[in-house]
Amino acid sequence: ETGVTQSPTHLIKTRGQQVTLRCSSQSGHNTVSWYQQALGQGPQFIFQYYREEENGRGNFPPRFSGLQFPNYSSELNVNALELDDSALYLCASSLTEMNTEAFFGQGTRLTVV
Amino acid sequence: QKEVEQNSGPLSVPEGAIASLNCTYSDRGSQSFFWYRQYSGKSPELIMFIYSNGDKEDGRFTAQLNKASQYVSLLIRDSQPSDSATYLCAVKAGSARQLTFGSGTQLTVLP
Repeated sequence: ETGVTQSPTHLIKTRGQQVTLRCSSQSGHNTVSWYQQALGQGPQFIFQYYREEENGRGNFPPRFSGLQFPNYSSELNVNALELDDSALYLCASSLTEMNTEAFFGQGTRLTVV
Repeated sequence: QKEVEQNSGPLSVPEGAIASLNCTYSDRGSQSFFWYRQYSGKSPELIMFIYSNGDKEDGRFTAQLNKASQYVSLLIRDSQPSDSATYLCAVKAGSARQLTFGSGTQLTVLP
């Protein structure tokens, strides 16, 4: 158990809809990173939040957005869902923004139909 | 060229043998190296990290780093069927915020 919790664990959405995924970081960790993992691939970095600000972003379009709250929990929002957005979405928390050891939550499996 | 490359496998070893997993990376500025284990349908679990050249041992696991050759490896001694999983290599450049992952190597330990 990493202490990082994500909700929901599974989700089915229709193309064009919007989705919000949630993450509670490990106690004492102020940095949250989000990753997308397609089947058979390694996780791909979406963005990182540190002290409620976006602190780095990967190669994902603006319809992927996020928030971090004062208690360091975080949300990932995806608008205008596409079929290719079907993936495992992973939240990782780390002690600092330099993201040394990152610990993942159990993930949210998103299926877009 | 992918930034982090791993043999996809599958790699099969008999129970009790040494499993050797390899990873190469392209960014010479990389400073932190991680191995994650991922069981099917689950999220990645951090099992080893290494920052300096040489070997780092933790129980049955040994991580080896050679920055000059840009490779990092993971040895699993006395492999057990419970070690059967996909092993992900992840690399972080000094100033980067993110981990860059390879596609993973699928390991099967045969009883």
